[in-house]
Amino acid sequence: GAVVSQHPSRVICKSGTSVKIECRSLDFQATTMFWYRQFPKQSLMLMATSNEGSKATYEQGVEKDKFLINHASLTLSTLTVTSAHPEDSSFYICSARDYGTSGRAYEQYFGPGTRLTVT
Amino acid sequence: LAKTTQPISMDSYEGQEVNITCSHNNIATNDYITWYQQFPSQGPRFIIQGYKTKVTNEVASLFIPADRKSSTLSLPRVSLSDTAVYYCLVGVMNYGGSQGNLIFGKGTKLSVKP
Repeated sequence: GAVVSQHPSRVICKSGTSVKIECRSLDFQATTMFWYRQFPKQSLMLMATSNEGSKATYEQGVEKDKFLINHASLTLSTLTVTSAHPEDSSFYICSARDYGTSGRAYEQYFGPGTRLTVT
Repeated sequence: LAKTTQPISMDSYEGQEVNITCSHNNIATNDYITWYQQFPSQGPRFIIQGYKTKVTNEVASLFIPADRKSSTLSLPRVSLSDTAVYYCLVGVMNYGGSQGNLIFGKGTKLSVKP
């Protein structure tokens, strides 16, 4: 299957600072990428959907000014957590969609995740 | 988006076949059914996807009855390394753009014992 990478895999930052997480589709072009957040022992929660070259669509309750998403190319999307606070500590996972061969549905692949800890 | 219902947890032993059933009564005509596996502190891994009847790949089979209101993921001869959370998702997957973003339910925590 297709590969999605994330960087960094783990980051610790101080409260009030900003952190950028990169998501790359390594062997396919992704017109659409998704960002999820997962708290311990909980399921993934969709934060936003980003389409290459346009503004991201945020899910209800997700602050767009706090979680800045940029999808400038078909292989790269970034999530910036601005003015991070301890409650933003979570596991952030990106995902990208790849269209298979003719007649097949899109397949959605996930990155390995980024563990953010805000102290 | 169609809501899914799965058992919260399941236990099995090595070498057994495991079947995890997911209910999706409100599935729409354009919806596909996709199953993912997630290990702790890792992103979900695609297992299998189907629209109707039966789909089989090298790791699992997916059974979908004619009414498509449920689906069953079948894992043959599980091993300890299959201990993970399994998610059943339903959504539009044959269009591009923002249609069909995947919404995760609670998943099924499978524990495989020796």
